[in-house]
Amino acid sequence: GIQVEQSPPDLILQEGANSTLRCNFSDSVNNLQWFHQNPWGQLINLFYIPSGTKQNGRLSATTVATERYSLLYISSSQTTDSGVYFCAVVTQGGSEKLVFGKGTKLTVNP
Amino acid sequence: SQTIHQWPATLVQPVGSPLSLECTVEGTSNPNLYWYRQAAGRGLQLLFYSVGIGQISSEVPQNLSASRPQDRQFILSSKKLLLSDSGFYLCAWRVTGLGGAFFGQGTRLTVV
Repeated sequence: GIQVEQSPPDLILQEGANSTLRCNFSDSVNNLQWFHQNPWGQLINLFYIPSGTKQNGRLSATTVATERYSLLYISSSQTTDSGVYFCAVVTQGGSEKLVFGKGTKLTVNP
Repeated sequence: SQTIHQWPATLVQPVGSPLSLECTVEGTSNPNLYWYRQAAGRGLQLLFYSVGIGQISSEVPQNLSASRPQDRQFILSSKKLLLSDSGFYLCAWRVTGLGGAFFGQGTRLTVV
């Protein structure tokens, strides 16, 4: 099955710093999402981005489907950005299985 | 608008007891439905997914089972819980070709 790898596994930042999170996947996909899991466990949709670039405030994401990776950019980080960031994909070819990477745990210190 | 309901929010069950977690979706038709489990500090493990009524794909051959008796209802069950079944259970839905997945609030299950 498809492999989804996220890096780095852990990231510690000072408030105000910028960061880039990466998601590599081993097969062609027709669905890629980025989620933020807050300290209460809720999964928040950040981006649905099977290809191209999107921006939402301090966050932006880029997916290069032909090279099988996606990047999540966080600028001017805030303590509320802390949590775990996941990417999830659905492979092309008919299966509707939604597969997650293991996540990047982000800690933003004041 | 679409919403997903998952209950209960927390559950404490003794070893060997049965389990039934329910997930329902409103505002959409023929969604793909998913059950995930997350152990403390770990990633999301896909347990089951369903593309239609009565159609269940199992990813984890353990003492859990899933059923989809109605288009927008997905149930996770166990006949006898094990300590290792403790975790955070999440239900999700998505519609093929119409964007991403959306998650319920989750159920924290502690087996004692």
